[in-house]
Amino acid sequence: EVHLVESGGGLLQPGGSLRLSCAASGFPFNAYTMNWVRQAPGKGLEWVAVIDSSGTSVSYAGSVKGRFSVFRDNAENSLYLQLDMVSPEDTGVYFCAREWHVGFDYWGPGTMVTVAS
Amino acid sequence: QSVLTQPSSLSGTPGQRVSMSCSGSSSNIGKNSVHWYQHFPGTAPKLLISTNNQRPSGVPDRFSGFKSGTSASLVISGLQSEDESQYYCAAWDDNLNGWVFGGGTKLTVL
Repeated sequence: EVHLVESGGGLLQPGGSLRLSCAASGFPFNAYTMNWVRQAPGKGLEWVAVIDSSGTSVSYAGSVKGRFSVFRDNAENSLYLQLDMVSPEDTGVYFCAREWHVGFDYWGPGTMVTVAS
Repeated sequence: QSVLTQPSSLSGTPGQRVSMSCSGSSSNIGKNSVHWYQHFPGTAPKLLISTNNQRPSGVPDRFSGFKSGTSASLVISGLQSEDESQYYCAAWDDNLNGWVFGGGTKLTVL
């Protein structure tokens, strides 16, 4: 059974850094493109970043480009999102999602990030 | 402001047929497949319709998707109370080199 579980969320101050993790199991992790999607309180879903199966190709939403970094460790079946220079607008639930030709077919339950002074 | 435009809310009564729209442009819906997600607050979003009109295993056949040009729609036939949720459309955008979501439609079953 496919499982995705995010961790690493918490409270941090504006300008701070945080690393989110997504542990994957139940499927060949190294065969799938992975994404991060977030949802700010009271807002809709916002795509954040994508990384291909090998980790060599990445792309970011304009709102996070230059501040966030996505990477993966296929040996550890893990996906990561490094958040730097955060602002209150980065507050929200962060989901990792597996991408297949059909879209985002599996999602984790999410981890909450709160940026506040 | 979302790249894909969805009505913010929609309502219907049990048994009714409802349709929600998703409007995009030539760089996203016009060129790429549209996917629809159902999201209950506090849970993981669920893929409801993939590749414009495909239902993943386990999704009731009362859900259907359509795409034409730069627009798409999600239709729910025979609305049920458990369908009350938030619905999002999404597509890859070639200009932005990333995924774009609609702002979401909150469906209320009266």
